Parts: sequence; structure tokens; C-alpha cells
Amino acid sequence: GAVVSQHPSWVICKSGTSVKIECRSLDFQATTMFWYRQFPKQSLMLMATSNEGSKATYEQGVEKDKFLINHASLTLSTLTVTSAHPEDSSFYICSVQTRDLIYNEQFFGPGTRLTVL
Amino acid sequence: SQQGEEDPQALSIQEGENATMNCSYKTSINNLQWYRQNSGRGLVHLILIRSNEREKHSGRLRVTLDTSKKSSSLLITASRAADTASYFCATVSGGGNKLTFGTGTQLKVEL
Repeated sequence: GAVVSQHPSWVICKSGTSVKIECRSLDFQATTMFWYRQFPKQSLMLMATSNEGSKATYEQGVEKDKFLINHASLTLSTLTVTSAHPEDSSFYICSVQTRDLIYNEQFFGPGTRLTVL
Repeated sequence: SQQGEEDPQALSIQEGENATMNCSYKTSINNLQWYRQNSGRGLVHLILIRSNEREKHSGRLRVTLDTSKKSSSLLITASRAADTASYFCATVSGGGNKLTFGTGTQLKVEL
């Protein structure tokens, strides 16, 4: 399977600042990456689908101007939380998808814990 | 969204016992996948079962799928303390490639 890294693994920031989270596919060229958010003891909720070279597709209820996604290369996608507020504190996880689209298996990064003070 | 429901929400067993988790979903699917998540970490893919399959095995894992009931179960046999984690089912439907996750089961295996 694909090896996926995220950076940073955790970040604490002040309210109103912007935070960038990187998701890298280390051994696989990912045309599609996904960004999820997970609140404590809850399930993963898909935020957006990141496609290399094109605009991301956001899920209903996710503010595209607040959560900026850039998938500039086949190995890197970034999620920028702009003007972060305490309610944005969460665990953000990315995943990459294999080319075997029949089965849609995804490989997940280790996650980034964001705490907004 | 068609987020699935999993039950139980939490399960505590002794090492060596079997653990069974159930997942129900709402619409027809292409496949159903089970993932494991250790506390504060990313997800690890465990097993995938296609809509035309009824049962699948992988090591100590056994997954069943009943499309008529829109449900799946994950059985972990001879559980170990290291199996302690949250387990999520996720479905893929239609022509898309998105995963829709269930609510998860928190499994605790005690020595």
C-alpha cells in the first residue's frame, strides 16, 4: 500500500491565525487525495476531495474559503485553515487513493491535531 | 449523507475472546471496507468486501456482508490486547470514489 505522511503531527495556534497542513504520498503518485475531519470520539467526516491540477471538490457545509486546498503535485496536497477559531480544533486526516479505482481503497496519513486557543 | 451505524459503540472483552462488531448502511454499495484506528492516529485498512461477496477472511479477521439487510459484521477471533482500537466500516456507493464512514466501535481488550 501507499505510505502517506502528514506535517505537522500537531499544532497549537492562536485564534485568527492560519495554519497549513501538508499531506504527502511518499511512494505513490496520487491523483486524488481526500481530507477528513474527526472530532473526539466521533467518526471521520469527508471535507473535500483534492484532485491534482484542478480545484478541490468540497462537501456540503464545508466552507471552501475557510479550508483552502491545494493539490499542486502528484505527491503533495495542502490544507490551509484560514482565520482559525476554537471550533476548528479537530483531528485532520488525509488519504490517498490507489489507481485501482474498482475497489477505491484509501491509504491514510497519521493525522494532524489542531488546537486553536 | 448515508453515514452508517455501528454497534456496539463500545465493546470490552478479555484477551482470547472473540469480538464482533456490526455495521449497517442505508443505500446500495459497491464495496464495504473495515478500518482500524489506534487512539489519535490515522486509519489502517483491514479488509474490503465487494457487494457480490458474502464472506471474507484475513488472518484473525472475518467479515460478512448481507446486502439484503444492508449490514456487515467484523469478527476478530482470539483477540489480543494489541487489538484495542476503534474500528470503522466505510462504504463506497454508485460511480463515485468517496468513502462514507460508520460511527465506529471502540474495542478494548483487557489482559
